[in-house]
Amino acid sequence: EAGVAQSPRYKIIEKRQSVAFWCNPISGHATLYWYQQILGQGPKLLIQFQNNGVVDDSQLPKDRFSAERLKGVDSTLKIQPAKLEDSAVYLCASSATTGGDEQYFGPGTRLTVT
Amino acid sequence: AQSVSQHNHHVILSEAASLELGCNYSYGGTVNLFWYVQYPGQHLQLLLKYFSGDPLVKGIKGFEAEFIKSKFSFNLRKPSVQWSDTAEYFCAVNNPGNQFYFGTGTSLTVIP
Repeated sequence: EAGVAQSPRYKIIEKRQSVAFWCNPISGHATLYWYQQILGQGPKLLIQFQNNGVVDDSQLPKDRFSAERLKGVDSTLKIQPAKLEDSAVYLCASSATTGGDEQYFGPGTRLTVT
Repeated sequence: AQSVSQHNHHVILSEAASLELGCNYSYGGTVNLFWYVQYPGQHLQLLLKYFSGDPLVKGIKGFEAEFIKSKFSFNLRKPSVQWSDTAEYFCAVNNPGNQFYFGTGTSLTVIP
């Protein structure tokens, strides 16, 4: 089966610009996760969707970050405006259900904010 | 807030040496525990997981982990490492609220 797809793989923007990332989970997976991984740190969960509803977004900086999963399949994560500290790898993962099912990770998008 | 601690940031071993990577978490209730691995140039992938039952869990490629509830620990072990085990290893915790927390990772380098 196809894995989790993400695009773009790399993005360089200037601070205060906006950027969007796209994720297509494994077919049939109800749960989708967005993580931020800053260099030298572990992934930090930004938002978790169950189908098209939000399960947890407690660590999402909502003043600048937004995410949607309109039809319960693919998802976009947006940053507007970007700050230097947003430089990180943004990982998307999916699992069949919530509750600790194995998460399948995509390759990530490496964002550099200059 | 919960936290997951991985005390070994970078480990260097020779092939055939034994491995133990530490993981401690702060949540006091029921948790699910995971070890994920990221080989160079590859995606994060699941190594093993613990939900309940036998606290000694066996995963892929000869890895195992032991859940010690009294110590809030879930240490990863392998009796004899290979060069191909060179990777970044992440411990993760999932609580009943379905929040996931990852540790900062341990970089393992195995010298042939």
